[in-house]
Amino acid sequence: QKEVEQNSGPLSVPEGAIASLNCTYSDRGSQSFFWYRQYSGKSPELIMFIYSNGDKEDGRFTAQLNKASQYVSLLIRDSQPSDSATYLCAVTTGVMNYGGSQGNLIFGKGTKLSVKP
Amino acid sequence: EPEVTQTPSHQVTQMGQEVILRCVPISNHLYFYWYRQILGQKVEFLVSFYNNEISEKSEIFDDQFSVERPDGSNFTLKIRSTKLEDSAMYFCASSEAPDISYEQYFGPGTRLTVT
Repeated sequence: QKEVEQNSGPLSVPEGAIASLNCTYSDRGSQSFFWYRQYSGKSPELIMFIYSNGDKEDGRFTAQLNKASQYVSLLIRDSQPSDSATYLCAVTTGVMNYGGSQGNLIFGKGTKLSVKP
Repeated sequence: EPEVTQTPSHQVTQMGQEVILRCVPISNHLYFYWYRQILGQKVEFLVSFYNNEISEKSEIFDDQFSVERPDGSNFTLKIRSTKLEDSAMYFCASSEAPDISYEQYFGPGTRLTVT
């Protein structure tokens, strides 16, 4: 059974602080890792994806991947109240097809982030 | 900006009835997915579809479920005989190509309530 684990939270941080969200996954064959943001009652929205070990930065967001530890994280700098949402970690199952990998995603339950003004 | 659309936004049905959930993927996208999310639970993969056939399906996607691309724009999910436990939000997603490097764009979802 391929699992993606996240602390459900809630994680509460003050406005302007760094929010750190963590995720572990069970399948060593997982190839790609995604962070989605989901507001209550809405659909998931992609924030970032990462394939290689190390850090990847995009604006206020930094994704970190450590395949040896099967661990992926998301840092949100200068957190804003509008960042308050549930953050979903997702990984691909990694089945190779048509020259690439099938993209069906395995999601964690998500971490609820609350940014207090 | 192009987006995935889904209809209806909310569907209420009685147990045992058939429902069809409709999706219009982004027009140049080739790879389509259905996911579901039971209230308070995680998003779960149901099925992926490429080149007019199922590419992969999960254990959830049993004989009660089917997918179809009846024309050049719509992508549908049919549940033949709904059960109470089918109550969930169903999300359609599409991507430009069958490759992990392409983002999956999610539609707004259809909330299915089975009574």
